[in-house]
Amino acid sequence: AQSVSQHNHHVILSEAASLELGCNYSYGGTVNLFWYVQYPGQHLQLLLKYFSGDPLVKGIKGFEAEFIKSKFSFNLRKPSVQWSDTAEYFCAIISGGSYIPTFGRGTSLIVHP
Amino acid sequence: NAGVTQTPKFRVLKTGQSMTLLCAQDMNHEYMYWYRQDPGMGLRLIHYSVGEGTTAKGEVPDGYNVSRLKKQNFLLGLESAAPSQTSVYFCASITSGASRRDEQFFGPGTRLTVL
Repeated sequence: AQSVSQHNHHVILSEAASLELGCNYSYGGTVNLFWYVQYPGQHLQLLLKYFSGDPLVKGIKGFEAEFIKSKFSFNLRKPSVQWSDTAEYFCAIISGGSYIPTFGRGTSLIVHP
Repeated sequence: NAGVTQTPKFRVLKTGQSMTLLCAQDMNHEYMYWYRQDPGMGLRLIHYSVGEGTTAKGEVPDGYNVSRLKKQNFLLGLESAAPSQTSVYFCASITSGASRRDEQFFGPGTRLTVL
């Protein structure tokens, strides 16, 4: 069975600080990896995804994530956060043989102006 | 394209009442999902469907039923609502690509309160 862990449940930063949110998964085979963002009162939307190729993927709004296969990790980063990045962030995986994505519990990010 | 839509956006029920949440997508997606989102619990899968006429249980199916009579619609029913079903419900859909590289598209959510 596949599982996803997001170790940071709540993160509070000031504007311009750098961000790194951890995501680790457990599954021995090929996986496709996703980061979703949920702004306050809104639905989830895709930030970025990885399925093959360059392990450093860039998404919308200046976010990027690095897939490290040996560490089963897919951490999300942003060099300089803005107040508008305040949101909940979810990591998700889907394995090649499954119809069902597995989500982490989410990380709540608050950015103070 | 409207994407994924959900009806209603808000609802308040009394314990024991029933209701149906409607999810509709206009992207010709094969797979559809119902999740509930509770504080600190992330997204939990209630039921899902891999095609018209098929449904399957997810992680937390008890107290819910679903139907997928038409490809574009996925209905979630609560036969006898309980306060524990107070939550925000999200519907999602995805294409049926075998590579599983496509992301899910989510609806705007339904906020349900059961008194």
